[in-house]
Amino acid sequence: GAGVSQTPSNKVTEKGKYVELRCDPISGHTALYWYRQSLGQGPEFLIYFQGTGAADDSGLPNDRFFAVRPEGSVSTLKIQRTERGDSAVYLCASSLSGIGLAGAISTDTQYFGPGTRLTVL
Amino acid sequence: AQSVTQLGSHVSVSEGALVLLRCNYSSSVPPYLFWYVQYPNQGLQLLLKYTTGATLVKGINGFEAEFKKSETSFHLTKPSAHMSDAAEYFCAASNSGGYQKVTFGTGTKLQVIP
Repeated sequence: GAGVSQTPSNKVTEKGKYVELRCDPISGHTALYWYRQSLGQGPEFLIYFQGTGAADDSGLPNDRFFAVRPEGSVSTLKIQRTERGDSAVYLCASSLSGIGLAGAISTDTQYFGPGTRLTVL
Repeated sequence: AQSVTQLGSHVSVSEGALVLLRCNYSSSVPPYLFWYVQYPNQGLQLLLKYTTGATLVKGINGFEAEFKKSETSFHLTKPSAHMSDAAEYFCAASNSGGYQKVTFGTGTKLQVIP
């Protein structure tokens, strides 16, 4: 079946502009995650959705970053007043469920999309 | 806070040689541990994961990793490197309650020399 898809694959914008990055998770996956991967670094957690709600947004760097998942499927990461330091690859992942049994960590595999490369000039 | 350290940002091996990619984690509680592979212009793909049970974990493409609690390590190995193994490999750990809040290492680029 189809994997996680992200659009656009590349986005070039100017400093101060607003951008939206889209993630289409695997159908039926209730958990969705956003990560940011800067050059030479591993992915860093941004936000986790369980269904429509953001269960953990502790990784969002500041209030310029916001994400939504209104119908529990597609998610949009929104960045206001972009800065050059926002340039990175933004990765989305989904898993069948984010919730583990009896409070344990979910063991469901996270499936990653190819990412959106954001360049802020 | 959880942290993951990968020794060596670049590793080169000859085709047919042993692959060993090192990973150490810091955690006050037993974590879940993962190895992901990233091919150029592709998304991260899970190679293998350790959650509970057997400490030697076998993954796809002939890779395996061993969880050693006493050494806080989860090194990735493959007996014989293939040209198609050339990629970037990320070690990751998760121990947040309820869901996988994954912390990644900085990655190791594997080069396979013919």
